Amino acid sequence: TQLLEQSPQFLSIQEGENLTVYCNSSSVFSSLQWYRQEPGEGPVLLVTVVTGGEVKKLKRLTFQFGDARKDSSLHITAAQTGDTGLYLCAGVKGGGADGLTFGKGTHLIIQP
Amino acid sequence: DTGVSQNPRHKITKRGQNVTFRCDPISEHNRLYWYRQTLGQGPEFLTYFQNEAQLEKSRLLSDRFSAERPKGSFSTLEIQRTEQGDSAMYLCASSLGGARLRGYTFGSGTRLTVV
Repeated sequence: TQLLEQSPQFLSIQEGENLTVYCNSSSVFSSLQWYRQEPGEGPVLLVTVVTGGEVKKLKRLTFQFGDARKDSSLHITAAQTGDTGLYLCAGVKGGGADGLTFGKGTHLIIQP
Repeated sequence: DTGVSQNPRHKITKRGQNVTFRCDPISEHNRLYWYRQTLGQGPEFLTYFQNEAQLEKSRLLSDRFSAERPKGSFSTLEIQRTEQGDSAMYLCASSLGGARLRGYTFGSGTRLTVV
């Protein structure tokens, strides 16, 4: 059972376009994190959101945590070729458990 | 400090052989985590340590897998009697305190191929 569903799985768009990727679950998480992973490398943390309804901005990237802390979205404005990569969302369940539960990721390709 | 270091980067082994991977976390990080990632999947949690104590193990960590962090610094992950299904990227991560607020710093991983 995949606790975190990411959509779309694959997305290919032109440079300069906007896009949104989603991370959904039926479970509540005490925090949700977004990572970006390049081929052959480990994931790199982009952001952590912990409060329901929280919005964080990182340059052209906007992250939102759902009010019920079950879902999150990542919006990229004016995508650049350097944004190409695998975007992973990951949740911390809390209650003493410290392992992250990852989604399968969204493969994003930005075409020049 | 250059981040989380994993060795080797690649390992090819024959089925039935034992393999051991090493992870050196960021020096001031007290928590260390092991994950496994297969093609097309996100990383799956295996186990984590706080200092030298192994606090949580996933059901994915079968009897053939063992992890240690003897002095609370580097960690090793050993797989005994490897099987083809063990082929994956093994990722190590570290954090200062829990992952909830600060997230992890991952290493570049060890890619294991069992032939």
